[in-house]
Amino acid sequence: DSGVTQTPKHLITATGQRVTLRCSPRSGDLSVYWYQQSLDQGLQFLIQYYNGEERAKGNILERFSAQQFPDLHSELNLSSLELGDSALYFCASSVGLAGGDANTGELFFGEGSRLTVL
Amino acid sequence: AQSVTQLDSHVSVSEGTPVLLRCNYSSSYSPSLFWYVQHPNKGLQLLLKYTSAATLVKGINGFEAEFKKSETSFHLTKPSAHMSDAAEYFCVVSYTGRRALTFGSGTRLQVQP
Repeated sequence: DSGVTQTPKHLITATGQRVTLRCSPRSGDLSVYWYQQSLDQGLQFLIQYYNGEERAKGNILERFSAQQFPDLHSELNLSSLELGDSALYFCASSVGLAGGDANTGELFFGEGSRLTVL
Repeated sequence: AQSVTQLDSHVSVSEGTPVLLRCNYSSSYSPSLFWYVQHPNKGLQLLLKYTSAATLVKGINGFEAEFKKSETSFHLTKPSAHMSDAAEYFCVVSYTGRRALTFGSGTRLQVQP
């Protein structure tokens, strides 16, 4: 058990809908990362938050947004869903900024939220 | 720019034989390098990491990797494969700064009985 909790584990919805994925990081971790894993794109970095602030942005679509709350949990909002958004969405956490400290380069991953868009 | 290339998308070995998963990186800076493992329907778990200390890094479950700067490689090895090693393995690079980790495309390891 990594200590990172993601809900829901599975979600089935229709095109055009909006969903929210939730992540609770490990106790004490300030950074939260969101990744999308699909068969054709592999593991893609979406966005990173550190202590409530956005710190890095990857291949995140404009239809997607995220935030990190004062209690450090994070939510990923996906709107106007398309069939191609079907994927496994992972949240990960770390103590500091990945790469900022060699000793804190490790990420701890949740088990993911599997989104199916029909 | 940093990137990482995993040279094999699939590797199949017999139980008890050696495992070699290949990874090459490119980075403008001294990298930190990691191997993560993902078992079916699970999140990713850190196997080992290189952070400019010893070039031969030992990880969990008998895995190790050697950092070779001249070859820009960080191949993952294990002397004897076990059935429980069947999983997807990701080579990952990062550098000092604010960017998140960059993941390779993954290598699926199959272990035959």
